[in-house]
Amino acid sequence: DIQLTQSPSFLSASVGDRVTITCRASQGISSYLAWYQQKPGKAPKLLIYAASTLQSGVPSRFSGSGSGTEFTLTISSLQPEDFATYYCQQLNRVTFGQGTKLEIK
Amino acid sequence: EVQLVQSGAEVKKPGESLKISCKGSGYSFTSYWIGWVRQMPGKGLEWMGIIYPGDSDTRYSPSFQGQVTISADKSISTAYLQWSSLKASDTAMYYCARRGEQWPGGAFDIWGQGTMVTVSS
Repeated sequence: DIQLTQSPSFLSASVGDRVTITCRASQGISSYLAWYQQKPGKAPKLLIYAASTLQSGVPSRFSGSGSGTEFTLTISSLQPEDFATYYCQQLNRVTFGQGTKLEIK
Repeated sequence: EVQLVQSGAEVKKPGESLKISCKGSGYSFTSYWIGWVRQMPGKGLEWMGIIYPGDSDTRYSPSFQGQVTISADKSISTAYLQWSSLKASDTAMYYCARRGEQWPGGAFDIWGQGTMVTVSS
């Protein structure tokens, strides 16, 4: 199975900061990667698919990049509503990363 | 509106059976894969399996093969997740999600609200 490893697992940041979350795959997955945001008590929400394409309705401060085995999710200027847990997901043989919890500093 | 609506929370005893549901509306239910995801309390997302309601083609994560059964009734646009004998370790939130047409890969673009399953004696 393809394993996804996210780093960091926890991230403390302030409103207005630029943050980057990394997702590494144990083998190449081309651009078969998506990113999700999950807030407490809510279902996950699709942010980015095909590694770098923004889902409709998602603010442009979110961006994704990468291909093969290394991917990043960047939030250019954190807003209060962005504090949540973020997951990457590979779409070849579907698995999730372990998640990155983004907390307010 | 495209949506997936899941059945309500369940409280069961170990050894009991259970079937939870996920009803799609606002789109062609038979044309999109529906997946199931487990989230144990305080933990991350785990992929369980997926079904194509058009022909009931079903794939399971190795971790869940033999532990659960995924099915669908296309006549009522509903997918199901069932257990024949629940364990306390099945206590979790379960989500269904639609696999979209994004290329490449098809990400999961529509999610149900989740069904909480509690297994306790």
